[in-house]
Amino acid sequence: QKEVEQDPGPLSVPEGAIVSLNCTYSNSAFQYFMWYRQYSRKGPELLMYTYSSGNKEDGRFTAQVDKSSKYISLFIRDSQPSDSATYLCAMLDNQGGKLIFGQGTELSVKP
Amino acid sequence: DVKVTQSSRYLVKRTGEKVFLECVQDMDHENMFWYRQDPGLGLRLIYFSYDVKMKEKGDIPEGYSVSREKKERFSLILESASTNQTSMYLCASSSIWGAIRRRVESSYEQYFGPGTRLTVT
Repeated sequence: QKEVEQDPGPLSVPEGAIVSLNCTYSNSAFQYFMWYRQYSRKGPELLMYTYSSGNKEDGRFTAQVDKSSKYISLFIRDSQPSDSATYLCAMLDNQGGKLIFGQGTELSVKP
Repeated sequence: DVKVTQSSRYLVKRTGEKVFLECVQDMDHENMFWYRQDPGLGLRLIYFSYDVKMKEKGDIPEGYSVSREKKERFSLILESASTNQTSMYLCASSSIWGAIRRRVESSYEQYFGPGTRLTVT
């Protein structure tokens, strides 16, 4: 079993939809949770970073962590075609081990 | 604005060839990383470096070596390319100040290059 599982998609939604992207994990030591966004033919870039449980909001993006369920989510409100990209979750344990990435979910937002 | 550049976007090599992938960053970052990205497997760490001439193995170092002679440059070497090394290779850099508990491999904000898609035939 992979430490981090992420549905690769692809996920296709109409412009303006609310998008929910998710990852599950098995290592209860993970404390730091990141979302990276990767546009086509580009490298990933950090989108959001959360420590421990709870929500974090940044504009149209909300990152949510539920440690009791070992489940993290990224919500995108009022999705735009410019949000079309691959979204990767990444995690770290409290001892600061290596970043563990999910497989990435390919998102397409249609005008 | 951080910039990480990689020497080639696309590369085609034959089995058994020695392959050099180069990465340069312009932000004076201490840490540099090489990953490979494969469908269904995500990003996997090959090697990383926290200083000039220093290197550490990642999760999949077999078949690869690295060189860091200057702070801004980190090279990945495939000594004898094989078809199972066909992949997207991504270089990243980060500052030590972005690391959890100052462990270089735990820099949560890593800046990535555009990637090199390597095909070995």
